[in-house]
Amino acid sequence: AQKVTQAQTEISVVEKEDVTLDCVYETRDTTYYLFWYKQPPSGELVFLIRRNSFDEQNEISGRYSWNFQKSTSSFNFTITASQVVDSAVYFCALRWNSGNTPLVFGKGTRLSVIA
Amino acid sequence: GAVVSQHPSWVICKSGTSVKIECRSLDFQATTMFWYRQFPKQSLMLMATSNEGSKATYEQGVEKDKFLINHASLTLSTLTVTSAHPEDSSFYICSSYDGGVSYEQYFGPGTRLTVT
Repeated sequence: AQKVTQAQTEISVVEKEDVTLDCVYETRDTTYYLFWYKQPPSGELVFLIRRNSFDEQNEISGRYSWNFQKSTSSFNFTITASQVVDSAVYFCALRWNSGNTPLVFGKGTRLSVIA
Repeated sequence: GAVVSQHPSWVICKSGTSVKIECRSLDFQATTMFWYRQFPKQSLMLMATSNEGSKATYEQGVEKDKFLINHASLTLSTLTVTSAHPEDSSFYICSSYDGGVSYEQYFGPGTRLTVT
């Protein structure tokens, strides 16, 4: 069975602080994909990143960076110099290699960035 | 990028009535569509998987007679909530798989259902 755990339910930071959102996953599959989505108050999911299980390279995109470690089954997300617009719920998700299988979502982390 | 639309974006209905939610893939053919439900301040939970031309596969605990899913074409899937009750009030999100073109799934913007 697949499972995604986001232990942090809510995080509050002051603007310009760095913040890391944790994600731990469980799967017996050797090939899988990991995702991060942002869900602002409007509700629409915003795709942030997809990572293949064979690609452990960390990735940086502007103020966002991701640390994928298979040894600890973690896929953590860091926002550098947070901004108020980063306030949202962030979901980590897992999917088996095949595209026609559904995503398994973590419970989400609600991030509040205070000006 | 691929676009998935949902209609309506929000709907209010009275208890006991039925409401239909449409999920359309606008610029690709979706061989598989997924329906998720998200209660306030909770995560997305898979309700069912539908393949074009086949009956939907429902997750455990989801009443198939209450949540009717039809995937009659490669661009349209519908979710009908029959005899809606206030506890069905939720955010419903669909996602569509493009059948191996990019091996990706694309999420719709969601439909917020409120049953009074």
